[in-house]
Amino acid sequence: QSVLTQPPSVSGAPGQRVTISCTGSSSKIGAGYDVHWYQQLPGTAPKLLIYGNSNRPSGVPDRFSGSKSGTSASLAITGLQAEDEADYYCQSYDGSLSGSRVFGTGTKVTVL
Amino acid sequence: QLQLQESGPGLVKPSETLSLTCTVSGGSISSSSYYWDWIRQPPGKGLEWIGSIYYSGSTYYNPSLKSRVTISVDTSKKQFSLKLKSVTAADTAVYYCARQHDVRPMTTAEHWYFDLWGRGTLVTVSS
Repeated sequence: QSVLTQPPSVSGAPGQRVTISCTGSSSKIGAGYDVHWYQQLPGTAPKLLIYGNSNRPSGVPDRFSGSKSGTSASLAITGLQAEDEADYYCQSYDGSLSGSRVFGTGTKVTVL
Repeated sequence: QLQLQESGPGLVKPSETLSLTCTVSGGSISSSSYYWDWIRQPPGKGLEWIGSIYYSGSTYYNPSLKSRVTISVDTSKKQFSLKLKSVTAADTAVYYCARQHDVRPMTTAEHWYFDLWGRGTLVTVSS
């Protein structure tokens, strides 16, 4: 059962900017826990995209950026490219359940 | 470079126990800087965290699965394992092993993230 809510899908033309929201609650994102983002290309394992709300691992293009405010976080993709078509998941910690990690419901990004 | 590889049966009968092992290669499993996790993804659906284990043996489980799940570690073999009992068709999924870590110094474990993933293994529950 996911406790972080994402839109099921977003789409955009090549070169456009799209954003994906991730909404939690006061015991999760709102409690100050970091939000991380993962990209899952078709048929592959998820890959870390953003950690600690807004940090990019080495090798991730700066077209990807993350932010967090209150009980929500966002992932933005600027200059959308065909290779960005994938599923994206946010992830955080559930402070009401010791040790529990939680994922978002997932968002499918389609490049038109 | 550290890699993770899942192994185990791809087909399990209903009511039986699903058993998977993750082998860590190219690095240490016995470090205070990592947790080792299992995550699953039913076909066409999203990711679900199953549980974590520390090299010392401390575990955390998803409350919705806690009564059926056991995660263990064998540091001598550089492996950690998942057992899920009394499986049903709803447990059919791709099962991933992953590492939790954080490159930022002094962050507590609540802020860690999954920086390395195995390729995943499909387990089908069917008679």
